[in-house]
Amino acid sequence: DMKVTQMPRYLIKRMGENVLLECGQDMSHETMYWYRQDPGLGLQLIYISYDVDSNSEGDIPKGYRVSRKKREHFSLILDSAKTNQTSVYFCASSSRSGERLFFGHGTKLSVL
Amino acid sequence: KTQVEQSPQSLVVRQGENCVLQCNYSVTPDNHLRWFKQDTGKGLVSLTVLVDQKDKTSNGRYSATLDKDAKHSTLHITATLLDDTATYICVVGDRGSALGRLHFGAGTQLIVIP
Repeated sequence: DMKVTQMPRYLIKRMGENVLLECGQDMSHETMYWYRQDPGLGLQLIYISYDVDSNSEGDIPKGYRVSRKKREHFSLILDSAKTNQTSVYFCASSSRSGERLFFGHGTKLSVL
Repeated sequence: KTQVEQSPQSLVVRQGENCVLQCNYSVTPDNHLRWFKQDTGKGLVSLTVLVDQKDKTSNGRYSATLDKDAKHSTLHITATLLDDTATYICVVGDRGSALGRLHFGAGTQLIVIP
């Protein structure tokens, strides 16, 4: 069906709590991404995954970690969330050629 | 330093009018350029991809140009509809594979009024 699904859509957490954002894709894409989008800024790359257990830091990895144990799932984890991690988080997946690129609907995270 | 600059930041047009969105970038190398549409609260949906040194694409009422010498792209929307209200994001890819990095502009917010 060619889609990227993110869960949850909205999340409110207190500072210091752990956060798990989940992403799934049904296209068997090797490459998956986590980005965050803040007002007035372009999307910023947090982590990129080239396949199962093959993950690389993006431009702003500090405070985040990822897990990819199955090709179709890519998780973003915030250990001890901070207020400056309030943002909208987008997951994306891409074919190896990069020609096909799909985004999820985003997870709006508020850290209070 | 921002490598992809979009203008205008926001734009209001009346339904039926045409509009042009601009994207200037400094990304090197510049393998390809994509335009995405982002509805409020939704993800990014690809409108078109430009690849050649001087490229043009057309997708219904959307058409786009790319000039790699000038590092400049335009997105034209013809006969705007209310549903065209969205943020349009320009993205430059530095490689022709998933190994490359994508550089995102902050977007142009288009509002179409009746």
